[in-house]
Amino acid sequence: QSALTQPASVSGSPGQSITISCTGTSSDVGAYNFVSWYKQDPGKAPKVMIYDVSNRPSGISNRFSGSKSGNTASLSISGLQAEDEADYYCSSYTTSSTVVFGGGTKLTVL
Amino acid sequence: QVQLVQSGAEVRMPGDSVKVSCKASGYTFSLYEMYWVRQAPGQGFEWMGWINAANGYTKYSEKFQGRVTITRDTSATTAYMELSSLIPEDTGVYYCARNYNGLGAWGQGTLVTVSS
Repeated sequence: QSALTQPASVSGSPGQSITISCTGTSSDVGAYNFVSWYKQDPGKAPKVMIYDVSNRPSGISNRFSGSKSGNTASLSISGLQAEDEADYYCSSYTTSSTVVFGGGTKLTVL
Repeated sequence: QVQLVQSGAEVRMPGDSVKVSCKASGYTFSLYEMYWVRQAPGQGFEWMGWINAANGYTKYSEKFQGRVTITRDTSATTAYMELSSLIPEDTGVYYCARNYNGLGAWGQGTLVTVSS
């Protein structure tokens, strides 16, 4: 199972919006609505920001949103803040009942 | 609140095995699957496998099949991940995570270092 494809890095200025893509195949991202997004601060465990493509856990800001089209999922962050700077990873359930992660995207807030 | 507390850092020689524990609290342990994920230094995440905490059914990544064993003790509300035939490339942080609303709760991670 190949990793999902994410851009290595994205950047934006405070207040701007950014989008991180996550491209898979019809056997993972395209198969189910079981895509999640995780934020990892340096040296910390990951934290789920979006699950099931577009659902936000309680306590997660509505500046974070998720979507999916075909085999590509996306995480959007609006109103960028300095605290959003981190690594972001997508993951998807697969038709083999396994899980695959993206390679991660480093978000820099300029 | 949901808490997953993992065992401490381990150092192993190549060819050894390591067993990492993940003590769960704050929820009904048997109702949720527990996942194990690895992160090599400076790298992304690799899914290793999961266990159905109710019946013990497991599913493993092909990459780790034959070397990884995930078990659970429902009376102790603890999940375990054992990795055998360790090589230096197995060095990394190993996480357990509860499968609910994505991987909605994670352990603090256990650093496993494989070195001769």
